[in-house]
Amino acid sequence: NAGVMQNPRHLVRRRGQEARLRCSPMKGHSHVYWYRQLPEEGLKFMVYLQKENIIDESGMPKERFSAEFPKEGPSILRIQQVVRGDSAAYFCASSRQGGNTEAFFGQGTRLTVV
Amino acid sequence: KQEVTQIPAALSVPEGENLVLNCSFTDSAIYNLQWFRQDPGKGLTSLLLIQSSQREQTSGRLNASLDKSSGRSTLYIAASQPGDSATYLCAVLTQGGSEKLVFGKGTKLTVNP
Repeated sequence: NAGVMQNPRHLVRRRGQEARLRCSPMKGHSHVYWYRQLPEEGLKFMVYLQKENIIDESGMPKERFSAEFPKEGPSILRIQQVVRGDSAAYFCASSRQGGNTEAFFGQGTRLTVV
Repeated sequence: KQEVTQIPAALSVPEGENLVLNCSFTDSAIYNLQWFRQDPGKGLTSLLLIQSSQREQTSGRLNASLDKSSGRSTLYIAASQPGDSATYLCAVLTQGGSEKLVFGKGTKLTVNP
């Protein structure tokens, strides 16, 4: 059973471009969480999704950021018109259920905006 | 709003020492508390998960305790090794709505040979 798969592992974008980060949850997991780790900061929650639904996006910046988890395929975190401040490590976690269920993390995508 | 604090921010010890990492949280209404390890440029590896009804969990040389009422957890590492060098993160899953983990900023541990 493969773990949570994130790709790409490293992504370089110029200011103003779009970044697309992908997350394939563990088999049998229908709950996905995205977290961001800024340099020298702890991980911060961004968004919680179930298949085809956004459950909690309270940690998402209001502009330029969006997330989806379609019925088929991976979850996508999309950042439009990236700025240098978006440079960070983005981690995805998945769980079988919500609530008090252990979540498993992927290796992360390290986004660098130049 | 749940806040998680980890002390110290960094710790350097000689090989073989026993050590304790501390984690505190402000809202005691939690489902569980989890300790993770993060190596530079890598993802998170779950070390121990303690349910709110439990007092401690052990795995090999690691022992984590939880005192929910006082909002504290400790991670005890016995007979430290250079391979233990990493950043250790504490995270809590809070009851009452949002199902997100709230993380501390971590303790960066260096074990010197």
